Amino acid sequence: QSVLTQPPSASGTPGQRVTISCSGSSSNIGSNTVNWYQQLPGTAPKLLIYSNNQRPSGVPDRFSGSKSGTSASLAISGLRSEDEADYYCAAWDDSLNGVVFGGGTKLTVL
Amino acid sequence: QLQLQESGPGLVKPSETLSLTCTVSGGSISSNNYYWGWIRQPPGKGLEWIGSIYYSGSTYYNPSLKSRVTISVDTSKNQFSLKLSSVTAADTAVYYCVRHSVNTNWFDPWGQGTLVTVSS
Repeated sequence: QSVLTQPPSASGTPGQRVTISCSGSSSNIGSNTVNWYQQLPGTAPKLLIYSNNQRPSGVPDRFSGSKSGTSASLAISGLRSEDEADYYCAAWDDSLNGVVFGGGTKLTVL
Repeated sequence: QLQLQESGPGLVKPSETLSLTCTVSGGSISSNNYYWGWIRQPPGKGLEWIGSIYYSGSTYYNPSLKSRVTISVDTSKNQFSLKLSSVTAADTAVYYCVRHSVNTNWFDPWGQGTLVTVSS
């Protein structure tokens, strides 16, 4: 059971906009920034969004992040087949004094 | 370009100690702005943060693993290491080493990962 809660799966068709939610509590998302990772099949995860809504260099602006209260969301617009991957949210947890992850969301591009 | 590379045995016997080393290239491990961490992923499952270390040696560990984990750093070799004791089959996973930002707690870059199987 992960500390952060994500839907196990999401899907969309090419060109669509999809969102993935990440729910936490006051000790993690409520008081710290959220980061998102993309893991393409058979590869190591890659930083996708940091500090709630910042994109590292090289990440397309189709990817965006937001946070409100104890929840965060990752939005992908103009969905492409190469976006098919697992997506994880993560944040520092003040109670556990460590980083916690969501269980991951498998995105399928139909 | 900063790169991280894990190394160590791919097979460990139950009850023994798993040992991995991460070699950092393209940058110094002695940075004020970063920790250096370990994350694991059991086959077909999600990510779990194991712990992180600052170049000075201060550490943070996942409470669920704290009693079995030791992370150390060797600044002269630009390396940091993981030891996980009393392993069981549940410790079978791909182990990644990462750079871990202070304050904002993001992980980037990641090593390619190394599969460690616990089996007799």
